[in-house]
Amino acid sequence: KNEVEQSPQNLTAQEGEFITINCSYSVGISALHWLQQHPGGGIVSLFMLSSGKKKHGRLIATINIQEKHSSLHITASHPRDSAVYICAVDKTSGSRLTFGEGTQLTVNP
Amino acid sequence: DAGVIQSPRHEVTEMGQEVTLRCKPISGHDYLFWYRQTMMRGLELLIYFNNNVPIDDSGMPEDRFSAKMPNASFSTLKIQPSEPRDSAVYFCASSFSQGRGNQPQHFGDGTRLSIL
Repeated sequence: KNEVEQSPQNLTAQEGEFITINCSYSVGISALHWLQQHPGGGIVSLFMLSSGKKKHGRLIATINIQEKHSSLHITASHPRDSAVYICAVDKTSGSRLTFGEGTQLTVNP
Repeated sequence: DAGVIQSPRHEVTEMGQEVTLRCKPISGHDYLFWYRQTMMRGLELLIYFNNNVPIDDSGMPEDRFSAKMPNASFSTLKIQPSEPRDSAVYFCASSFSQGRGNQPQHFGDGTRLSIL
C-alpha cells in the first residue's frame, strides 16, 4: 500500500462544476503539498499546508491531521484547469517529498 | 525571477553514453532536489542538497547515478553508463528554508531523457 493515495485517478468534469480531489496518507507528516502538472510537463506548487485551510483564487486546500486526509477543491472549473494534480507529503522523518500517483483532471467546455 | 533553469530540455542518446543534466536553482535558495518521473513509478526523489551538501541520496537508483553541487548556483546529475531504463523526465527543484522548516518547492521545466 502506497504511503500517499489519491482519488480519483481520473476525473472528467464540465466547465463550471465544483471539483474535489482527495489525498490520504499513512505516515506522520510535517506538511502536505498540492502540485499541478500541465500537459507540457511543468510542475507548479499550488499549496503547502500543515493544518486548516488555504485558498488561492478558485482553489481551496484543506487538511485534517487527525484523519490524515487532505482535499483540493476547484470552484467554477474551467478547461484551463485540466492538468494532473499531485499530492505530496513531507514526512516527519526528513525533508523528502513522497508523492501520490496523481489525479488526471479534464474539464470540458 | 528566472525560476529554476534546467538544461538540456531534451536529450536523446545511445545506451552506454554518459549523460549530464544541469540545474541552476533560484538565487538564494538553500535546498536543491533532483526528481525522476516515469509512467510506471510517478515522481521519485533521487537526491537533495542543503547548502550545497548532499543530505539524502537514498533515492539514487544505483552507482551509475551521481550528483554534485559545486556551488550554490549549479548542480549536475550524471548517468554513466546510461541504459534504456533510465529514460524518464528528470526535474530539479529548489526551495528557501533557512531554518523555517518545510517550504514550497519551485520546479524547473524538466529534462526529457531518452536512452536508445
